[in-house]
Parts: sequence; C-alpha cells; structure tokens
Amino acid sequence: DAGVTQSPTHLIKTRGQQVTLRCSPKSGHDTVSWYQQALGQGPQFIFQYYEEEERQRGNFPDRFSGHQFPNYSSELNVNALLLGDSALYLCASSSGRLGTSTDTQYFGPGTRLTVL
Amino acid sequence: AQSVTQLGSHVSVSEGALVLLRCNYSSSVPPYLFWYVQYPNQGLQLLLKYTSAATLVKGINGFEAEFKKSETSFHLTKPSAHMSDAAEYFCAVTLLFNKFYFGSGTKLNVKP
Repeated sequence: DAGVTQSPTHLIKTRGQQVTLRCSPKSGHDTVSWYQQALGQGPQFIFQYYEEEERQRGNFPDRFSGHQFPNYSSELNVNALLLGDSALYLCASSSGRLGTSTDTQYFGPGTRLTVL
Repeated sequence: AQSVTQLGSHVSVSEGALVLLRCNYSSSVPPYLFWYVQYPNQGLQLLLKYTSAATLVKGINGFEAEFKKSETSFHLTKPSAHMSDAAEYFCAVTLLFNKFYFGSGTKLNVKP
C-alpha cells in the first residue's frame, strides 16, 4: 500500500516565478491538507481540500492556491514567489469524516522549495 | 483558536535515560492531541494520538504520553532512550480534524 507521495522532491525557483507542487494521498483517503514548514519551525497549515473544494484555510495570502482532482490527488500553486516562501511543503492525507478517532493524518516526505 | 507550546527547542539525554518532551496546549474545549516525529529530510510520522479515550496513550517505539486536562499538558515520555530516537518531535492539536496546529518542535539528541 503506497503512502502519501509528493513530487518533485526538490525545486529551485527565482523570485516572481510560479510553482506547482503535487500530492497523491494514501489509498482510501479523500482529504488532502497542505503545510509549509520553514527551517527550524513547525508545520504551518495552508489549507485542506475535500470533495474537490477548499474546506479550511490557514493564514496564507491568496498567492497560495490549490486544487483537488476527482481521484483525490492535489496540487499546491504558489504565485509571485518570495524569498520567504522557501520551505519544506508537506502534504497530508486523511479520511473525510470529521471528529472520529480514525482521522489520522499521514504525511508525505515533502517538497523542498528554494526561492533565489 | 488552538495553539501548542513546546518547551525546550533542544533536549539532550544519554542513551538509556528517560526522555521527557513537554507540550502544553491552549483550547477552549478539549482537543485531540498528537505527537509526530520527523527524521532529517523526511516527512512526519505519527507516534501517538489522544482522542478522548484513555488519558495515558501508548504509541510506537516505546513512547507514551499522558493527557492532563488540569495542566493542559500532553508530555511525551520514553523510559529508556535509544540512539535511533534522535530526531525532531512535534506536538499538534486539532478540534475537528480540519485544521491542525503544530508546535515549533523539540530536537532530541541522544548521547552514547
């Protein structure tokens, strides 16, 4: 059973460019959450997708957008990149039911984005 | 809104010694609580979770944590540290599993 997969592993961009990161959830999961983990920090919640819609959003600007496809995979798009966007971007998948003890998040290995 | 505070960004113990990593949470209602471990250049792996059942939660690799509502704490312990436990540990909180709040992490160093 494949876990959560993310691509690419590493990415280098320059300021002002746009980037797309991809995530495939664990088999049987229909919910995808994205996190930004800056160096030396804990993960910060960006947003969560369920049934192809953004269900919840953290304190991130509109430059951060996402999409979920019918097969539950997801993309994170960041426009007009800033130096401060350099971070490890983590994707986590879970089931869509809320408030049950089985709703464990499983994390992918992350995409390391460097903005020069 | 919920939040998590992890006291001590770095903790160093000798192999075989007790591991204690501290986590305090802030929430208006009892939340769900988690501990994750992150090895270098990897994603997060779930160690254990508290979901309002038993207050003492046992996880993988010999770790356990106790939910103490009166102290708003969820400290992570392991009786005897192993070299392979060296990693960064994150405490996280959520109410409805639609938004998770993580602490800033504690790096555990295990000395031989």
